[in-house]
Formats: sequence, structure tokens, C-alpha cells
Amino acid sequence: GAGVSQSPSNKVTEKGKDVELRCDPISGHTALYWYRQRLGQGLEFLIYFQGNSAPDKSGLPSDRFSAERTGESVSTLTIQRTQQEDSAVYLCASSSGARSYGYTFGSGTRLTVV
Amino acid sequence: ILNVEQSPQSLHVQEGDSTNFTCSFPSSNFYALHWYRWETAKSPKALFVMTLNGDEKKKGRISATLNTKEGYSYLYIKGSQPEDSATYLCAPFSGGSNYKLTFGKGTLLTVNP
Repeated sequence: GAGVSQSPSNKVTEKGKDVELRCDPISGHTALYWYRQRLGQGLEFLIYFQGNSAPDKSGLPSDRFSAERTGESVSTLTIQRTQQEDSAVYLCASSSGARSYGYTFGSGTRLTVV
Repeated sequence: ILNVEQSPQSLHVQEGDSTNFTCSFPSSNFYALHWYRWETAKSPKALFVMTLNGDEKKKGRISATLNTKEGYSYLYIKGSQPEDSATYLCAPFSGGSNYKLTFGKGTLLTVNP
């Protein structure tokens, strides 16, 4: 597609439920990233996929968080047993992997855990 | 994890004013610095990617400079307009095979008409 697509755009869920967020990157972009921004905080790195390499999961805040990516296409971020502190805007970005180019971000998923 | 500082945290200016803000980052192992603009309810958009010490980039009324030896970058907006209102994020990259950006908390700019 022309840009990075994320769905859903908004999600309200009850504490304890599982949620799945989807990211469809720009075709041909080998690198895919998940970040989140909680209220009043900066952009926080979660996970990074680069081609067929093992993902960098160093930013995942707990084992309730996991992410998958099939090849160089769609990625899903899953949060199990959601907690109120998981409420945030979850942003996905993709890039060609070339370090001279910036990321292209999706519009994000606003997750609210009630 | 890189220590990235942006200042000020927020800024209010009048339409037509020129303004600037700062991004500070570790000067060791520097490879590149990215600037992004994030408007409310939209996705962050890349403004500049800068790599060379002394580099200056310009896009319309917005420009940026880079000092890699002392670890800072300035973003300038000339003749601010209400549509410039956004959060401006910087993100240094220290190189390596893992191309992962560490973002600052941003400067929130509000331009009053």
C-alpha cells in the first residue's frame, strides 16, 4: 500500500482481556517497528523486525506482550491479560532499512484499558 | 539506550514569530540524527535525517543544524504558522546492524493565530 496501515484505530477493552493490534507496512520495507506512547511520556520502543533476522524484543515491557511478523509483511502485536498501564497509542513504523531514510509511521492504535 | 534530551518541553509562540528548540544526545558513536513532526491525531512524519557534523538541512520555513562533536541539533522555524503546531521529535542513531531509533520526549509547539 501507499502507507503504513494500522488497525483498529481505537480499541477499548476490559482489564484482563487479550488484544491484538495489526500493522501492514509499506510493501518492500524490510524493517518494521512497534513503539508506544503512554500519556505524558515519550515514544517507547517495543520491538523491531528486520527481514528474516531474529527480532529485537528488548523493549517489550513484560511477557504479556508478544509480536509476530510473517516474512516482510503484516505484523501483529498481542497483549495478553491487559492492564490499565497498557493504555497508550501503539505506533507501527516501517523503513527500507537504509540508515539514511526515516521511518514511515502508521496512524496508530489508541488502546484504552478500562 | 541513548539519553536524548529535548528542550523546551513545550513552547507557545505567536503567528509570525520565529522559534527554535534543541535536541541533545551522546556525541560518542554517532551515526545519524532524525527529526520528526507529530501533529495531533496524525502519524509522525520524517522531516530530516542528518549525518554530517555541521550539516544544515532546510524544508520550506523549517531548518535544522547538527553538531556531532558536542552532541546537539537545533530545529528552527521561521515565521511560525498555526499549521506548524505539533510535537517535534528528535531521534539519534548510534550505528550498528540494529537500525533502531531512540526518541526524545519531544517539544510541543503551539502557534497562536
